[in-house]
Amino acid sequence: QQPVQSPQAVILREGEDAVINCSSSKALYSVHWYRQKHGEAPVFLMILLKGGEQKGHDKISASFNEKKQQSSLYLTASQLSYSGTYFCGINAGNMLTFGGGTRLMVKP
Amino acid sequence: ETGVTQTPRHLVMGMTNKKSLKCEQHLGHNAMYWYKQSAKKPLELMFVYSLEERVENNSVPSRFSPECPNSSHLFLHLHTLQPEDSALYLCASSPGTGSRYEQYFGPGTRLTVT
Repeated sequence: QQPVQSPQAVILREGEDAVINCSSSKALYSVHWYRQKHGEAPVFLMILLKGGEQKGHDKISASFNEKKQQSSLYLTASQLSYSGTYFCGINAGNMLTFGGGTRLMVKP
Repeated sequence: ETGVTQTPRHLVMGMTNKKSLKCEQHLGHNAMYWYKQSAKKPLELMFVYSLEERVENNSVPSRFSPECPNSSHLFLHLHTLQPEDSALYLCASSPGTGSRYEQYFGPGTRLTVT
């Protein structure tokens, strides 16, 4: 079952913050986050492997709420380079099942 | 070469043609994947290989045939495709299978079926 991402799209001004959510109808054991810029390959951002875990680098961080079966990606003080489509992927045996993506555009 | 490479980057083929997509990873990983990315659709996993053995086949039509001769190379053989098969085909690799491992993607092959 594919995770649901929200919002589907968001437009920010440089310096603004954004939150992208990823929800599953099944129990979650791990959540991946990737970013894909237009015309490029998806790039790995981070994995969260257990409930309550929070990770981050630079000004992008994520949390994993096992009980709520969801993860959130936080982008703080957004930069132009943050523009792209963000995908979450959730565990499904040997496979990752990806959400539909959130298109983020950061404007000057 | 570093990371994951894919050739060709663009491919146009007729429905009666046979072609192959190639993927090579230079990361020493044990698992490789084929994904299909269509417009306005999520990434769809097609095949997973671990140490050259296929471990997942995600209900993909038989006109797509994967081959993994060694842990560094992955092919996708295409024959008698349909126009709806036009998409970006992405290859990825990871240190192992399972959701504990991050995946590294290649740049993709943009396939157009005419």
